[in-house]
This record gives sequence, C-alpha cells and structure tokens, in this order.
Amino acid sequence: GQQVQQSPASLVLQEGENAELQCNFSSTATRLQWFYQHPGGRLVSLFYNPSGTKHTGRLTSTTVTNERRSSLHISSSQTTDSGTYFCAMASGGNYKPTFGKGTSLVVHP
Amino acid sequence: ETAVFQTPNYHVTQVGNEVSFNCKQTLGHDTMYWYKQDSKKLLKIMFSYNNKQLIVNETVPRRFSPQSSDKAHLNLRIKSVEPEDSAVYLCASSSRDRNTLYFGAGTRLSVL
Repeated sequence: GQQVQQSPASLVLQEGENAELQCNFSSTATRLQWFYQHPGGRLVSLFYNPSGTKHTGRLTSTTVTNERRSSLHISSSQTTDSGTYFCAMASGGNYKPTFGKGTSLVVHP
Repeated sequence: ETAVFQTPNYHVTQVGNEVSFNCKQTLGHDTMYWYKQDSKKLLKIMFSYNNKQLIVNETVPRRFSPQSSDKAHLNLRIKSVEPEDSAVYLCASSSRDRNTLYFGAGTRLSVL
C-alpha cells in the first residue's frame, strides 16, 4: 500500500528562523495535501498541491511528482506557527488518502 | 469557515457501552471519510463512502460500523467500546473533481 514518510519528526526554532519540512511517498501521488494542526485543534488545509509550487503568505509548497516528494517551507517563523504539520497523499483514483506521521514544530520567542 | 460538523465534541463512556458519532458536511461533496487519530497523533483511515456507497473499509474491528443516510451525512457507531478505542475520530469530505480534504473538529472519545 501507499506509504508516506515525513521528516523531521520534530523541529525547534527561534522566532524568525526558516523551516523546511519534507514529505516522501512510495507511489506517484495524484492527490497531495499539506495540513496544519494546532494542539487540540482541527486539521486545517494549507495547500492542495499534487505538482509544482504554490505560495501563500510565508508558506511555500513544492511537489516534484516524478521524484515522489513534497516540501513545505515556512519563512520567518512565528510562535503561532507552532503545531503539527501533516502531508497526505493518494494515488490514482483511490479513496484512501494516507497521512504521514507529522512534523511537530515548536517556535520559541 | 466550518463546513464539516461533528457531534459530540467529547464523549466519556465505560467499557462495553455503545456510542454513536455524527458527521454532516454542507459542501456538496460526494465522498466522506472517517479517520482515527491516536494519542501519538497518527492518522489512520477507517472508512470512506462515495455517494452513500462504502468503498474503503480498512482493517478495523467489527464493532465499528459506519452509516450513511445520504451524501451529506456519515455516522460512526461503535458497539461495545474497548479501552483502545480512546482516540479522536475525525470526519472529512472531498469532491471527486477537486480532491481537497476538509475536516471536522473531531470527536474525542475516552473509554474508562
């Protein structure tokens, strides 16, 4: 079955530093989505990005489909960026989006 | 803007009891999902429905049963809960052409 690996598992930054989160998957993704989850909060979609590069604010997602990887770049991190970031992918027309184990980000003031 | 609604937010129950969780989406999507998020935040798909038809049924204990009355509603019933069922149950929806998943706030189940 499809597998999703996220790295690093955890990351600690000082406010203002940049972060690069990685997502690798075992099969070609036709659906690829990045989520943010605040502790105790709901999953919020950041990007739907099965290929190419997308930007919103301080966030950039880049997916290289044929290399089966995606990244999430956070520039000038803020304490409010603290939480867990997940990527999820699905292959073909299946209805089983698979999640990685997430990256836990802590940003200190 | 909230568009996937789950009830209840929390539920505390005893081992062996039956519980039911509700999910409704107002996005007009044709596919709905149940995920389980454990204490380590691991997310695992349990079921997915497309146009009221069960299309994904992962290896979950038989005491779990999804129920769909229409495309906008997907409920989850657990007969005779066990301690390992303590988790957050997340409902999601997506449309076939847009594929983006939208999640509800989740139902946190505690089994004593």
